[in-house]
Amino acid sequence: KNEVEQSPQNLTAQEGEFITINCSYSVGISALHWLQQHPGGGIVSLFMLSSGKKKHGRLIATINIQEKHSSLHITASHPRDSAVYICAVEETSGSRLTFGEGTQLTVNP
Amino acid sequence: GAVVSQHPSRVICKSGTSVKIECRSLDFQATTMFWYRQFPKQSLMLMATSNEGSKATYEQGVEKDKFLINHASLTLSTLTVTSAHPEDSSFYICSVSGDSTDTQYFGPGTRLTVL
Repeated sequence: KNEVEQSPQNLTAQEGEFITINCSYSVGISALHWLQQHPGGGIVSLFMLSSGKKKHGRLIATINIQEKHSSLHITASHPRDSAVYICAVEETSGSRLTFGEGTQLTVNP
Repeated sequence: GAVVSQHPSRVICKSGTSVKIECRSLDFQATTMFWYRQFPKQSLMLMATSNEGSKATYEQGVEKDKFLINHASLTLSTLTVTSAHPEDSSFYICSVSGDSTDTQYFGPGTRLTVL
């Protein structure tokens, strides 16, 4: 069993739909990261959070430390949101990141 | 956030040759740099962590004599893949942070193909 699990693995949506990607982890963490990997491979850090909720534009990330669960929401999805979204946790024992396997999101026009 | 560049973005080499990949932090004092490897359709795997001026700490299963890491300054780290083999073909990504508890900023990655 992976320490970080994401669901779903693949997600196809129509433009404008509200999207949720989930991340569950089994270790103690000091922070959780949501990353976006574009088709060319480049990675962008979307959020780093250790509690509560953060919002940036159409993206919202939440975390529940007690339940060891985080969600990434995209409102009014757009084809340019198509990418792989990766959840990564920073363990309390250090800065090392442990990555989920990613969620491939495709938003169709 | 920090701007991180990698060079080259793509490299193709023959088996047995060595390849150097540079990771530069353009506007950020990167006391810690991380090197990751990503095989197709797999998640990123940490290879090593380096602190400026110190020897890198390698993850289990990563050969330190094969993957040479140099972090000589706060803005530059290099990863040299020595005697590359086709199984070393992968996407190599670096990230930087200001200290061991800071967020990480990722480079755009280098795609290595070994023929």
